Amino acid sequence: QKEVEQNSGPLSVPEGAIASLNCTYSDRGSQSFFWYRQYSGKSPELIMSIYSNGDKEDGRFTAQLNKASQYVSLLIRDSQPSDSATYLCAVPTPYSGGGADGLTFGKGTHLIIQP
Amino acid sequence: DAGVIQSPRHEVTEMGQEVTLRCKPISGHNSLFWYRQTMMRGLELLIYFNNNVPIDDSGMPEDRFSAKMPNASFSTLKIQPSEPRDSAVYFCASSPGANLGKLFFGSGTQLSVL
Repeated sequence: QKEVEQNSGPLSVPEGAIASLNCTYSDRGSQSFFWYRQYSGKSPELIMSIYSNGDKEDGRFTAQLNKASQYVSLLIRDSQPSDSATYLCAVPTPYSGGGADGLTFGKGTHLIIQP
Repeated sequence: DAGVIQSPRHEVTEMGQEVTLRCKPISGHNSLFWYRQTMMRGLELLIYFNNNVPIDDSGMPEDRFSAKMPNASFSTLKIQPSEPRDSAVYFCASSPGANLGKLFFGSGTQLSVL
């Protein structure tokens, strides 16, 4: 059974600072990793994906992957109050028949950006 | 595109009653997922369909839960009989497949079982 672990928070960060969100996973066979953002009362939405060790940047967001340590992180630069949300880390869920793209999610980290 | 459409948005029912949740996936998406979200357990995968066929229902908590996908544009999740511990937000999500990890979620159904 795959597990994805996240600190539930809340993580409080002042506006303009860098927010750092962390995630560990149990299955060394995982090859792809995803970050979803969920605003309060809303549904999750994909914001970042990463497949290779190292960093991947997209605007103010940077995903970092270290497969040896089974660790993936999300950095948010110049944090804005609108970034306040729960951030969910996810890995693919394997199925016996193969070829699926369902995801196993962590419980999420609640991020609060303080104005 | 209207996105994934779920109904109802809110459902309040009494213990023992039957509950049916509905989902219309995005047209052209081959995969459909039912998730349940609670504070305690987070987002849990209940069942997954690929091309209308149930692939993995190992996340379905017990026999009181059942799901169907009679065609590519409609799926239901039924709970009979419902219990207070079933109270949660139930999300339906669809995906175009190809292991992209990109799930499109509906707005969810907030279920309260009294």
